[in-house]
Amino acid sequence: EAQVTQNPRYLITVTGKKLTVTCSQNMNHEYMSWYRQDPGLGLRQIYYSMNVEVTDKGDVPEGYKVSRKEKRNFPLILESPSPNQTSLYFCASRSTGGTDTQYFGPGTRLTVL
Amino acid sequence: ELKVEQNPLFLSMQEGKNYTIYCNYSTTSDRLYWYRQDPGKSLESLFVLLSNGAVKQEGRLMASLDTKARLSTLHITAAVHDLSATYFCAGSSGTYKYIFGTGTRLKVLA
Repeated sequence: EAQVTQNPRYLITVTGKKLTVTCSQNMNHEYMSWYRQDPGLGLRQIYYSMNVEVTDKGDVPEGYKVSRKEKRNFPLILESPSPNQTSLYFCASRSTGGTDTQYFGPGTRLTVL
Repeated sequence: ELKVEQNPLFLSMQEGKNYTIYCNYSTTSDRLYWYRQDPGKSLESLFVLLSNGAVKQEGRLMASLDTKARLSTLHITAAVHDLSATYFCAGSSGTYKYIFGTGTRLKVLA
């Protein structure tokens, strides 16, 4: 089944404790992206990757890092999480050709205390 | 810088009625997208609108794009309860950067 998976789905952590949220897709998509969703703000793009080893900042990259060492994986790293990073995070992927449809993962709800 | 604005933010409507959600954007957007999100769930792609005058329909939903007016609409025909969800529009700045509206929470009442 074609899908985007994220782990963990729920995470409660404390300020300053480094964490990684993994994202994996099995559709051989070149493009992957991370978003955060906050009430009243819609989705905001954090980082995106056009292909392996090619990443760029979205609208809200501060406090986040990403890497794209393999085509299928695009982890989101919070090196020193802070409470304002408490949010719902979505990973998405799409092909760079064709219909331009993004496929979203199930989401990761992160709480930073 | 591309900005995307949706209205209304909340919409409560009776079953069987028609209504339209509006999506305005501030500068040229290469494409315009519509997504649906059910409560507690992820986003599902509904439509990708590629060019001026594009119209796409799926069931009771129809999306259109007017690039001159910088406006996209999502029209709901004869609403049913199953359409209750939050709908997002999004524009793209270049091919890789996406800007989302704040969403329209639709509630269809029986």
